[in-house]
This record gives sequence, structure tokens and C-alpha cells, in this order.
Amino acid sequence: DSGVTQTPKHLITATGQRVTLRCSPRSGDLSVYWYQQSLDQGLQFLIQYYNGEERAKGNILERFSAQQFPDLHSELNLSSLELGDSALYFCASSVGQGDEKLFFGSGTQLSVL
Amino acid sequence: GESVGLHLPTLSVQEGDNSIINCAYSNSASDYFIWYKQESGKGPQFIIDIRSNMDKRQGQRVTVLLNKTVKHLSLQIAATQPGDSAVYFCAENRGRGSTLGRLYFGRGTQLTVWP
Repeated sequence: DSGVTQTPKHLITATGQRVTLRCSPRSGDLSVYWYQQSLDQGLQFLIQYYNGEERAKGNILERFSAQQFPDLHSELNLSSLELGDSALYFCASSVGQGDEKLFFGSGTQLSVL
Repeated sequence: GESVGLHLPTLSVQEGDNSIINCAYSNSASDYFIWYKQESGKGPQFIIDIRSNMDKRQGQRVTVLLNKTVKHLSLQIAATQPGDSAVYFCAENRGRGSTLGRLYFGRGTQLTVWP
């Protein structure tokens, strides 16, 4: 167990809908990262928050947004969902701002039908 | 057994043999590297890491080798066990400014261990 908690484990929704994925980092970790894993693209970095502020942005679509709350948990919001958004979404956390090992949660499997 | 992670995505070895998984990274500025193991239905699990000021690091049954000259990373698993069966990813961190926290992952190598 990595100590990173993600909910829900599975999510099935329809195109055009909006969903929220939730992540609780390991105790003491200040950074939260979101990654998307699909068969054709592999593990792709979406966004990083450090102590409540956006720290780095990757291949995140404009339809997606995230935030980190004062208690350091994070949410990833996906809107106007398309079939191609179906993927595994992982949250990871680390102690500092980066350049260190990341600990991953078990992921949320999103299926858009 | 040996495989190049980016070109041979599968590696099959006999239980008890040593495994070598290779990875070619892309950016000469990368200064931190991590190997992750991902089992089916689970998130990537940290195995071992190495910084660019080292060329070798050992853990429990695992060794990571870094060759900066040819931008090559390898993971050696000694006495491979069935529980080692998983997809193995190398990841690089370029450690600069706004990309400090971003890991760039390779495509992964599926390791299968036969009894």
C-alpha cells in the first residue's frame, strides 16, 4: 500500500458528462500529481500541485481542471467527456516539489460510453 | 534474459534466472531516474532510483545501471521470481524549473516469469 488513496476505483459515464476524481496524498506529502494512462499513450503527466498551488502543467486538456485543497487532498475534474478520455487516471504524491520519488495510488478506471 | 524496453515490450524468463530490462532515455539534461513496477490493476510501485552523479545503485535483488554517455538505463533483477511478473517502467526527471516535478515515462516492458 503506497498510502495514496484514490476514489472511486471505477467510473462509468456517458459522453458529454462531467466527473470528479479524488485523491488523498500520503501523510506529510505536499505535492500531488495527476497522470493519465492509456494503451496508446502510456503514462502521461497532466498536472502537479504543491501545497495548494499549481506547480507544473503537462498534457492536460482545457476540458480538464484540478485543484488541491488546504487539507492537501486533490480533485481532478473532467468535463464534456469524450470516448477518448477513457483511461486509467493515477494520482501520485511526493514530499517536496519534485525531483524525487513519487508514490502512486491504485488509480481510477474511467470508462466513457 | 535481456530486452530493450522501447523496442521489445516483452521479456520472458525462467524462475531463478536473472532479468535485465533496458531503457533508452531521451534527454541528456535528465538527472534523476526511477524504475517502477506495475502489476495488473495496480498503480506503479517504486522499485529503485538513481541520480546522474552515480552509475550504479543496488537494492534488494535489484540493481540499476546508468550510462550517461549513451543515455541508457538498465534494471537487473537477480533470481527472478513469479511475483516479479509485471510491467516495468523507467522514468526520467529533467529537474529544471517548471518541469521539476514531472516524470517522463518510457513505454514499459512486460516481464513474465515462468516456473
